[in-house]
Amino acid sequence: GAVVSQHPSRVICKSGTSVKIECRSLDFQATTMFWYRQFPKKSLMLMATSNEGSKATYEQGVEKDKFLINHASLTLSTLTVTSAHPEDSSFYICSATPTGGFAKNIQYFGAGTRLSVL
Amino acid sequence: DAKTTQPNSMESNEEEPVHLPCNHSTISGTDYIHWYRQLPSQGPEYVIHGLTSNVNNRMASLAIAEDRKSSTLILHRATLRDAAVYYCILRAGYSGNTPLVFGKGTRLSVIA
Repeated sequence: GAVVSQHPSRVICKSGTSVKIECRSLDFQATTMFWYRQFPKKSLMLMATSNEGSKATYEQGVEKDKFLINHASLTLSTLTVTSAHPEDSSFYICSATPTGGFAKNIQYFGAGTRLSVL
Repeated sequence: DAKTTQPNSMESNEEEPVHLPCNHSTISGTDYIHWYRQLPSQGPEYVIHGLTSNVNNRMASLAIAEDRKSSTLILHRATLRDAAVYYCILRAGYSGNTPLVFGKGTRLSVIA
């Protein structure tokens, strides 16, 4: 099946620093990728839709200046948490769907990034 | 997206079949029924999806009611590795460019 690689899997940073998370589709192209966050024992919450070559679309309540998304190619999207604070500590997950073929209706997820801000 | 209703939690003995129910009484004619699961500390993974007919794959079976207002995910022999949160999600047609909207899902515990 299709593989989405997310890196890093875990990051610990000091308050005020910025953290970049990468999401790569390894064996397919994706014009659209999605970013979710998840708090302990809660469900996934959509943060934004990342569109290749254009601006991301953010969900209501998600600060676009804090969570910078760049989708520079058909296989890579990045999420940068700027000036991270302890309340940004969470599990961040990306996903992507192949642009064609039978699997185009299936979303493939990365393994997630656990961010801890001290 | 049309809403789905699932039990918060279920428990199963290892090597026994598990039937995970999902109600979706407001499903529209073009909605596909998708199931994903999330293992502890992992991203979700696709399990199965269908429209009207029952579906089988190597992971599970999906039984869809004739009126499509409910469905059941069937794990034929539960293993400890099947302990996860299972999400039933409706998705309109071939909508690859729209995100999945996750509800609370069903937390499945498997007892050895």
